[in-house]
Amino acid sequence: NAGVTQTPKFRVLKTGQSMTLLCAQDMNHEYMYWYRQDPGMGLRLIHYSVGEGTTAKGEVPDGYNVSRLKKQNFLLGLESAAPSQTSVYFCASSYVVSGGGLRNEQFFGPGTRLTVL
Amino acid sequence: QKEVEQDPGPLSVPEGAIVSLNCTYSNSAFQYFMWYRQYSRKGPELLMYTYSSGNKEDGRFTAQVDKSSKYISLFIRDSQPSDSATYLCAMSLAGGTSYGKLTFGQGTILTVHP
Repeated sequence: NAGVTQTPKFRVLKTGQSMTLLCAQDMNHEYMYWYRQDPGMGLRLIHYSVGEGTTAKGEVPDGYNVSRLKKQNFLLGLESAAPSQTSVYFCASSYVVSGGGLRNEQFFGPGTRLTVL
Repeated sequence: QKEVEQDPGPLSVPEGAIVSLNCTYSNSAFQYFMWYRQYSRKGPELLMYTYSSGNKEDGRFTAQVDKSSKYISLFIRDSQPSDSATYLCAMSLAGGTSYGKLTFGQGTILTVHP
């Protein structure tokens, strides 16, 4: 049981390049989230998904796109990278408890360190 | 003004000290309150979880929520070097429409030295 995994762990991009970050979870969780973490800013929600085929914007969605074609995977895309997107990106997932309630506990991956030059 | 405010520290204490970490918030609709611990170059992991006001204790850790003051705290007793990490408070609205979305504080960097 690997939990939440993220690929790649590190990446350096040049301004204007594109890339996709992959998040995978093997816990059969319904909800998945992408955050970015910057010094002094805590974790800020980029996009999230409440199920396969659905996505929604979070607090800082500009410059990012996401897709959730399979329940276990959540992809974060940068179409044209900018230096302001230099950050550590975390993926997380959470589950619905019996009775339909949401536990609100999120399980995080190890992060992807992205530098945009 | 940020919705959740947390003193980023850094905080440095000797082994065995009692540590107090705090967050204030502005949204009175928050119902779920959490503390996450994040070791260097790792993802955050849930440490404590409370619903509404009150105290919750788990070993050396105690979480307190005072909704009337919009203030939450995490106390660490008999702190150990292994407690050195960044501590993030997080909050969530109640109900299905929250979709589990969390609002995080900035995180407090704690170092416990032997």
